[in-house]
Amino acid sequence: GESVGLHLPTLSVQEGDNSIINCAYSNSASDYFIWYKQESGKGPQFIIDIRSNMDKRQGQRVTVLLNKTVKHLSLQIAATQPGDSAVYFCAEGGMDSSYKLIFGSGTRLLVRP
Amino acid sequence: GAVVSQHPSWVICKSGTSVKIECRSLDFQATTMFWYRQFPKQSLMLMATSNEGSKATYEQGVEKDKFLINHASLTLSTLTVTSAHPEDSSFYICSARAGHTEAFFGQGTRLTVV
Repeated sequence: GESVGLHLPTLSVQEGDNSIINCAYSNSASDYFIWYKQESGKGPQFIIDIRSNMDKRQGQRVTVLLNKTVKHLSLQIAATQPGDSAVYFCAEGGMDSSYKLIFGSGTRLLVRP
Repeated sequence: GAVVSQHPSWVICKSGTSVKIECRSLDFQATTMFWYRQFPKQSLMLMATSNEGSKATYEQGVEKDKFLINHASLTLSTLTVTSAHPEDSSFYICSARAGHTEAFFGQGTRLTVV
């Protein structure tokens, strides 16, 4: 079936370094992609999104890159901080009326002080 | 961003009883609400999609008679876990959207069935 997967289950980075979290998706019909951050015991928190007509989008300290050719999505976090430690999920979906989101398996980001 | 509230945040119930979880959109009208289940160290799995005033659409493998979803108004959806068993213990999360906007997530409900 359709799936969204991640290459690395756990990523450990030094505080202040940049982090890159990767994601592969399989549904070529998806036209909307979102990165979420989830802290323990809480619901997902929206970080940044990107539509399929774009290949890059920047937010505050975060950048999402979309490569539709290889169905790859990445989240870059600049100057990683201890508060960035969490599990990060990518999700794919469509902007049609159903807007079903399929979530990837998640990557845990650990920030070393 | 918009606020979605779930209640309760956690609940413990006896095996065989039913539990109702509420999901409310506090500052917008949610035309569509989604219910997810998340087991420890796993991703969110979509259970069902509900549109206001119509029956929910369940994902494959999700028992509609066990997980009753009601979306009676544009600001409230409920998930009732009927005849709960220990294997139903999980983290249940709802999300809501208004039209073609992004989806906003609730804070989740931790269900423990003993």
